[in-house]
Amino acid sequence: DSGVTQTPKHLITATGQRVTLRCSPRSGDLSVYWYQQSLDQGLQFLIQYYNGEERAKGNILERFSAQQFPDLHSELNLSSLELGDSALYFCASSLLPGLATDTQYFGPGTRLTVL
Amino acid sequence: AQSVSQHNHHVILSEAASLELGCNYSYGGTVNLFWYVQYPGQHLQLLLKYFSGDPLVKGIKGFEAEFIKSKFSFNLRKPSVQWSDTAEYFCAVMGNTDKLIFGTGTRLQVFP
Repeated sequence: DSGVTQTPKHLITATGQRVTLRCSPRSGDLSVYWYQQSLDQGLQFLIQYYNGEERAKGNILERFSAQQFPDLHSELNLSSLELGDSALYFCASSLLPGLATDTQYFGPGTRLTVL
Repeated sequence: AQSVSQHNHHVILSEAASLELGCNYSYGGTVNLFWYVQYPGQHLQLLLKYFSGDPLVKGIKGFEAEFIKSKFSFNLRKPSVQWSDTAEYFCAVMGNTDKLIFGTGTRLQVFP
């Protein structure tokens, strides 16, 4: 158990819908990262937040957005869902990004299925 | 741009065999290197990491990896695998940004 929690574990929804994935970082960690794991794209970085502010952006679609709240939990919002958005969405957290020894610890993931 | 190559997509071994999984990266600057493991149906777990110092890094469960800067490689090794090592293994690099760049993964199957 990494200490990173994600809810829900599974989500099944229809095309065109909107969902919200939630992540709570390890106690004390200030940064949250979102990754998408799919069969065709592998593991890809989506977005990073540090202490409530967006710090880095990867291959995140405009239909997707995220935020980090004052209590440091984060939510990833996926809208206008398409079949191709079906994937495993991982959240990771780390203490101090930019620190040479910083390490990301991953949560159990949310499996999203779009029908 | 940073990238990571894992040349072995699927490896099948018998228990007690030795393991070496290849990982090469492309990035000219200082890198941090990681190996993560994903057991069936589970999340990514950190096996080991390299930041600086001794290029031979020891991780959990008897795994080790060697950073060879001249070859841009960070191969994962284990002298004797067990059935419980069946999993997918991901090499990742972090350069001058905080994001991890992952390889495509190597699926390891160990048969008793």
